[in-house]
Formats: sequence, structure tokens, C-alpha cells
Amino acid sequence: QTVVTQEPSLTVSPGGTVTLTCASSTGAVISGDYLNWLQQKPGQAPRALIYSASNRHSWTPARFSGSLLGGKAALTLSGVQPEDEADYYCLLYYGGSWLFGGGTKLTVL
Amino acid sequence: QVQLQESGPALVTPSQTLSLTCTVSGGSINSDNYYWTWVRQPAGKGLEWIGLIYISGYTNYNPSLRSRVTISLGASKNQFSLNLSSVTAADAAVYYCAREWGLWGQGTLVTVSS
Repeated sequence: QTVVTQEPSLTVSPGGTVTLTCASSTGAVISGDYLNWLQQKPGQAPRALIYSASNRHSWTPARFSGSLLGGKAALTLSGVQPEDEADYYCLLYYGGSWLFGGGTKLTVL
Repeated sequence: QVQLQESGPALVTPSQTLSLTCTVSGGSINSDNYYWTWVRQPAGKGLEWIGLIYISGYTNYNPSLRSRVTISLGASKNQFSLNLSSVTAADAAVYYCAREWGLWGQGTLVTVSS
């Protein structure tokens, strides 16, 4: 069974830059067409940030950017704000099913 | 502004069927060719995709849940529903409905207990 892996946790300083990655356990290159990034804060529903690997939704701040890097998907936060502290999930379509990554807990400290 | 709202019993008895409804307001479920999806999240854990439905009635389910899941369009034209049979404690979670991935309901907590 395919597993989508993300860093369990990352810490970044306010104003800094951090990159979160998302990879398939099979090593298969992730297709950008169906790659999404979502943010979830405690007690809230997830909120979509990025679709098709690199496209921001209308409500997504410009400091969030998505890309594909060496077969992996990446979410980069530049100029991190305290309110960016949250869980981040990648979501991809693979083998006929949607799969969530395990999530990355981002701490802003 | 389109909004989604989940509803259904907060408590389900083990071995019974969990039934939830997602009501779409501020717009029509028939507009455009969106798919409508269910996702769940056990307490303190990550997100799990359950399945989706298109307005045509086409469905696609998580293989790990396929034998127990049915997603259908509601009797009301602006609703879709989730049925999950033979529930166990492992099915306790916050259940979310969503329009593709850009619009989510607030979620509803379902506990499984006798």
C-alpha cells in the first residue's frame, strides 16, 4: 500500500523560510496535476492552500509557494508569520485514490 | 457564498451504520462538474480520504473502506450523504464534507460507543 511521507515536524523562526516536502513511498514521481497542499489549525477544518502543485488559491498568501523538486512535491513558506503555525498536509491522487500525507507540524518559534 | 454543513448522529453504536449528510447552501450541488467528498480525522491523527461522488452519480472510494462505504446524492437536491456500515471504535473521528478540496464544512464529531 502506498504511503505518502512528510516530515513529522519542523521548526522555523518568524520571518524565516522553510520547505516542507511530500513523497510517495514507492519512489514514484509525483504528478503535479493532482497535488494539493492544505493547512489545518487546531480545532479548525483544513483549508486548501495550493492545487496542481504550484497554483495558489485566491485566498492563499503569496508567501506560500508550491513546486515539484526531484520527484517530490514541496511547499515553501517565505517570510513566515506566527499565524503560519499549523499542520500541513499534502494530498495527491495516485493509483485511482486520493491519499493524504501524514502531515507536518510546523512550529514558529 | 457556498457553504457546507455536516449533520447526523454524534453517537453511533458499534456494529451499526454511521449516516451523515452534507448540506450545500448558497449554491447548487448541480453547478459545474465538481466532485463532492468525505474526509475523516480521528482525534490527534491525520486526515483520511473516505470517498467522493460526482453529480452524475459516479463514486470512488478509499480501497480500505470500500466494502463498508456508500456515498450518495441526497433526497434533497442540495445534499449528499455518507453511510459507513459495521462501525467500530476505529471509526470514531471528525467527519468533514468538502467540495473537491477548496471548500470544506466545519466537521462533525462522531463517537462510537455502546
